[in-house]
Amino acid sequence: GDSVTQMEGPVTLSEEAFLTINCTYTATGYPSLFWYVQYPGEGLQLLLKATKADDKGSNKGFEATYRKETTSFHLEKGSVQVSDSAVYFCALLIQGAQKLVFGQGTRLTINP
Amino acid sequence: GAVVSQHPSWVICKSGTSVKIECRSLDFQATTMFWYRQFPKQSLMLMATSNEGSKATYEQGVEKDKFLINHASLTLSTLTVTSAHPEDSSFYICSASGGGGQGSNQPQHFGDGTRLSIL
Repeated sequence: GDSVTQMEGPVTLSEEAFLTINCTYTATGYPSLFWYVQYPGEGLQLLLKATKADDKGSNKGFEATYRKETTSFHLEKGSVQVSDSAVYFCALLIQGAQKLVFGQGTRLTINP
Repeated sequence: GAVVSQHPSWVICKSGTSVKIECRSLDFQATTMFWYRQFPKQSLMLMATSNEGSKATYEQGVEKDKFLINHASLTLSTLTVTSAHPEDSSFYICSASGGGGQGSNQPQHFGDGTRLSIL
């Protein structure tokens, strides 16, 4: 079945460090891929998305490229800030389906 | 745009009480709404999918009579936890998508969640 696997957390970095959160997927169709962010006590916010192979999603300094050959959608940011501390979820949506399939989430803590 | 409002944000009630949570799409028509449950430090578990005017489709293992879902309009869905018990305590999150039809891969927009605590 369809699934998403994220790197295990928690991840702790210093401010201005480079961030990578790995995400790989298994899908029977042609999925759209998403990164969502959840700040403490809140719901999820869409961070970025990509709908086809080689698309790059970007927002707020975060980027992720849809790699069909490696079935990956790794999240990167060149210089993290304390305000980036949150839980990040990778997710996929199969074309024609309604349900998002979420990874397990990666908790990110940025220390000043 | 694409704002989803969820209310209440936090509720504490006694065991045996029924609790209703509302999910509203404020600036778009939500043809489909989703209800999730999230346990501490875990991912979201989809409970049910609801299309406006139709009965909700529940995921395996979710009790239909326990978690009543109504999606009577294009901007409002409700989740009622009936006769709630301490094991129902959790963080409940709704999301909504709309426009373009089922196959158009419209993104889901999430509410801020409701923290339910049953004493």
